[in-house]
Amino acid sequence: NAGVTQTPKFQVLKTGQSMTLQCAQDMNHEYMSWYRQDPGMGLRLIHYSVGAGITDQGEVPNGYNVSRSTTEDFPLRLLSAAPSQTSVYFCASRKQGPRNSGNTIYFGEGSWLTVV
Amino acid sequence: GESVGLHLPTLSVQEGDNSIINCAYSNSASDYFIWYKQESGKGPQFIIDIRSNMDKRQGQRVTVLLNKTVKHLSLQIAATQPGDSAVYFCAENNAGNMLTFGGGTRLMVKP
Repeated sequence: NAGVTQTPKFQVLKTGQSMTLQCAQDMNHEYMSWYRQDPGMGLRLIHYSVGAGITDQGEVPNGYNVSRSTTEDFPLRLLSAAPSQTSVYFCASRKQGPRNSGNTIYFGEGSWLTVV
Repeated sequence: GESVGLHLPTLSVQEGDNSIINCAYSNSASDYFIWYKQESGKGPQFIIDIRSNMDKRQGQRVTVLLNKTVKHLSLQIAATQPGDSAVYFCAENNAGNMLTFGGGTRLMVKP
């Protein structure tokens, strides 16, 4: 019963380094997304995908890239990490379907990223 | 721009009392809302949702009320328990079927 799996759980980067946060879901969900959560704040949408080969920008996309080559995977790439990207990152997935089906939105456990 | 936000950052209640967590939204076109619970170190967990054609929806120990006139949403938790201690977020399901979250309210339950 894996659900949404994120790796790594914790990561420390130096400014300017690049890295990829991995996200995988085994529920055959069409929709996947990445959020960041800063201390004491709600989640903000970075990028999302409505299906394999399709991605779009969310509220705070700058500094991040995504791709969706398969239904299962939705990696988030930081090309040149900055201290402002220190945050907790959550991946989420959802089945395609009616908007009144909130209980099908699944979140990963989060990835804690610190950029020094 | 349009936003979803919360009035109170922290709410402290006695175990057994009822809790009320509030949320204000500004997008009058919003038609679907969700409440999430987030425990420390974990991702958001779905609690309950409501569509704009409803004023009230009840779950197990939780009730969501929607007042479209003043664009206000509330989450009521009956007989609050220590396990209810967490941060609660309201969220709007936007046109892209993704979520826009409010700022969150921390609920602290005193034994």
